[in-house]
Amino acid sequence: DQQVKQNSPSLSVQEGRISILNCDYTNSMFDYFLWYKKYPAEGPTFLISISSIKDKNEDGRFTVFLNKSAKHLSLHIVPSQPGDSAVYFCAASAIGGTSYGKLTFGQGTILTVHP
Amino acid sequence: NAGVTQTPKFQVLKTGQSMTLQCAQDMNHNSMYWYRQDPGMGLRLIYYSASEGTTDKGEVPNGYNVSRLNKREFSLRLESAAPSQTSVYFCASRQNNQPQHFGDGTRLSIL
Repeated sequence: DQQVKQNSPSLSVQEGRISILNCDYTNSMFDYFLWYKKYPAEGPTFLISISSIKDKNEDGRFTVFLNKSAKHLSLHIVPSQPGDSAVYFCAASAIGGTSYGKLTFGQGTILTVHP
Repeated sequence: NAGVTQTPKFQVLKTGQSMTLQCAQDMNHNSMYWYRQDPGMGLRLIYYSASEGTTDKGEVPNGYNVSRLNKREFSLRLESAAPSQTSVYFCASRQNNQPQHFGDGTRLSIL
């Protein structure tokens, strides 16, 4: 039972254009969402997050949108750069209680930005 | 400025052998986690330690044991390795409500 899904295994965009990565979740208890970026032979690195009390969070070229009613979030990268080429993982957590920060990850989307 | 350090980086085992994967963090984080990453499946939580002295099962704990040796170190042990445990293993740590920080992984092959 995949509680966090990234249905696009890969995405290819041109440098300077927008990259949109999508993520869906099924567990209504999730209230904190994160995006991690991963280069080959390295561990995931934190990119941006959003809590369920917000519907948008920006950090430079990266913006995450959350649609709670649809249980959907997306990561927008504008403008895309070749150095953004990596695997992007969506992750979800339930804040507080006995969650202890445990993360549930999606399968990942391979982003390739062409010069 | 090491962050989360995992050793070894690579290992090849034969079926039935035992192995301990080491993880240490120098950020004074309370919580630590072990994940495995398999193709097409993202990262799945094996075990976690919310604080020093406590450990608990994650999504896929079967075949593994863990030890939170002290606040810095959290090890993962395979008592009798099986080919299904061939994977990339990531350790992570976290403080309070901050995002988890990950090590660079241990690539484990079991023949």
